[in-house]
Amino acid sequence: GEDVEQSLFLSVREGDSSVINCTYTDSSSTYLYWYKQEPGAGLQLLTYIFSNMDMKQDQRLTVLLNKKDKHLSLRIADTQTGDSAIYFCAESIRGYSTLTFGKGTMLLVSP
Amino acid sequence: DAGITQSPRHKVTETGTPVTLRCHQTENHRYMYWYRQDPGHGLRLIHYSYGVKDTDKGEVSDGYSVSRSKTEDFLLTLESATSSQTSVYFCAIMEAGGYEQYFGPGTRLTVT
Repeated sequence: GEDVEQSLFLSVREGDSSVINCTYTDSSSTYLYWYKQEPGAGLQLLTYIFSNMDMKQDQRLTVLLNKKDKHLSLRIADTQTGDSAIYFCAESIRGYSTLTFGKGTMLLVSP
Repeated sequence: DAGITQSPRHKVTETGTPVTLRCHQTENHRYMYWYRQDPGHGLRLIHYSYGVKDTDKGEVSDGYSVSRSKTEDFLLTLESATSSQTSVYFCAIMEAGGYEQYFGPGTRLTVT
């Protein structure tokens, strides 16, 4: 079955790196996504990775995918207070790209 | 921002009343989705559409119906609202052959 798990909370200091982890259970996932949600706002697509890739880098963001362990991580370099938000991991399996989301990780960045 | 609007943005209604939420896009994307977001559950798929008049159920479709009579609009209807449908509802769109799903600003619905 489909299940996406994330840790609920992460606290870091400004300037440090943040690593948000996600595990998924369905090995037939085709794409894996990271979304950011600020309070009272919608979801912003940060990045995504195809299941045949191991890593993707986009400016301060690095996504690592370990297919063997079904583990996905999002690293944010030089974390800023503006990065404080909830981060959702999601997988796409079926046709028409319906997404299955984790419950979200709240990232708190302190000055 | 992707051209997605949702209306209304906030609504309070009573148990048993019908409610319709609207998602409107200006991107001419083929795929549209309705999700609900609840504390402790993340986002869950309610219904989705893969073309005009083509819709299918998601994980939590009970108590909801949808319609898509034109490309730009996807309507979500609660025929008889219940308190368990109090939630934040998000619409999303994606172009055919694409991989990026973009979300609207959400509708906060409270059923009293």
